[in-house]
Amino acid sequence: GNSVTQMEGPVTLSEEAFLTINCTYTATGYPSLFWYVQYPGEGLQLLLKATKADDKGSNKGFEATYRKETTSFHLEKGSVQVSDSAVYFCALTLNTGGFKTIFGAGTRLFVKA
Amino acid sequence: GAGVSQTPSNKVTEKGKYVELRCDPISGHTALYWYRQSLGQGPEFLIYFQGTGAADDSGLPNDRFFAVRPEGSVSTLKIQRTERGDSAVYLCASSFGLGSQETQYFGPGTRLLVL
Repeated sequence: GNSVTQMEGPVTLSEEAFLTINCTYTATGYPSLFWYVQYPGEGLQLLLKATKADDKGSNKGFEATYRKETTSFHLEKGSVQVSDSAVYFCALTLNTGGFKTIFGAGTRLFVKA
Repeated sequence: GAGVSQTPSNKVTEKGKYVELRCDPISGHTALYWYRQSLGQGPEFLIYFQGTGAADDSGLPNDRFFAVRPEGSVSTLKIQRTERGDSAVYLCASSFGLGSQETQYFGPGTRLLVL
């Protein structure tokens, strides 16, 4: 079946550290891939997306590349800030048999000053 | 403009009661989605609408759950004979169109607690 697996948290980093949050997926067809973020006390919002293989999504210093060969969409940031502390969700939206969106379980990131 | 709004923000009910959760999407968005999020988990798909029709309701857990969008804008998620296991945050999202590349805009959610 279709699924998204992301690394378990929490992830705790010091400010200016390098961040990687792993995400792999299983899906029929060619889904679009997303990272959504939920800051404390706020709703889910789009961080970045990629709609086809080898596309790179980027926003606010975060990047992720759609890797079809490894079915992955890992999130990276070169230098995290305290304000990046949030829960990050990897998700896919199918393009075969409908447009259902499937989310991973989320990874909580804590960044210490 | 205004984002997606959901009412009520919190709902406490007793087991066996009926509840309605409302979602107001962003104006002009044709697609609307409902999700359920349990503590420590990602959102779980329930149903999505294109216009007035439910295009995919395969995520509704059983026939106690039903959703409508009669005029293609506001949607109501209805839960009959609530059970304690229905306790969760119910999220609504909308998107301009329907397609795999569409960005979904989420509301703040309704936190449902069934006692």
